[in-house]
Amino acid sequence: RKEVEQDPGPFNVPEGATVAFNCTYSNSASQSFFWYRQDCRKEPKLLMSVYSSGNEDGRFTAQLNRASQYISLLIRDSKLSDSATYLCVVNKRDSNYQLIWGAGTKLIIKP
Amino acid sequence: DAMVIQNPRYQVTQFGKPVTLSCSQTLNHNVMYWYQQKSSQAPKLLFHYYDKDFNNEADTPDNFQSRRPNTSFCFLDIRSPGLGDAAMYLCATSSDYRVNQPQHFGDGTRLSIL
Repeated sequence: RKEVEQDPGPFNVPEGATVAFNCTYSNSASQSFFWYRQDCRKEPKLLMSVYSSGNEDGRFTAQLNRASQYISLLIRDSKLSDSATYLCVVNKRDSNYQLIWGAGTKLIIKP
Repeated sequence: DAMVIQNPRYQVTQFGKPVTLSCSQTLNHNVMYWYQQKSSQAPKLLFHYYDKDFNNEADTPDNFQSRRPNTSFCFLDIRSPGLGDAAMYLCATSSDYRVNQPQHFGDGTRLSIL
């Protein structure tokens, strides 16, 4: 089993729709969780950190479920500019510096 | 304003010819990382520095080396690039090892091997 698993997609979603994807992680001791966004042939950019209580940033909501060991990302009122690959990132067990990256979920927003 | 700067954006080298990629940061962060990313794959950590302390990942090939002469700069040296080393190389920084410290990336250097 991979340490961080994501559905690779692509998710094809009409503009304005709500889309959600999950990411599962295997290390129950992980404490740091992030969603990064990566555009084609560009560097990853931090979208949001994921906190235990869940957090929201505009149209984006992230949730953490420690019992089931997954994090989720919800995008409301999707825009064409949301098309990208979304990478789930979790810190390695007993290590704050070493992040384990998922391979990403590709999202395509269609007009 | 770019805070993590990688040069060059695109690098073409010949099979076996040494190449150096550079990264500089204006964030004064303690930790600097080098990742390799191939198409449709997750970034793969090669090594990182905490200040001057170098940490090599167990599966990083011996062909890859790094230098950090000061806080601001870090270099990735590929001694004898093979075709399998063609990839995007990403430099990232973080302030320290505390929980929930995100990593900040440069634009990356795309390396091609002829």
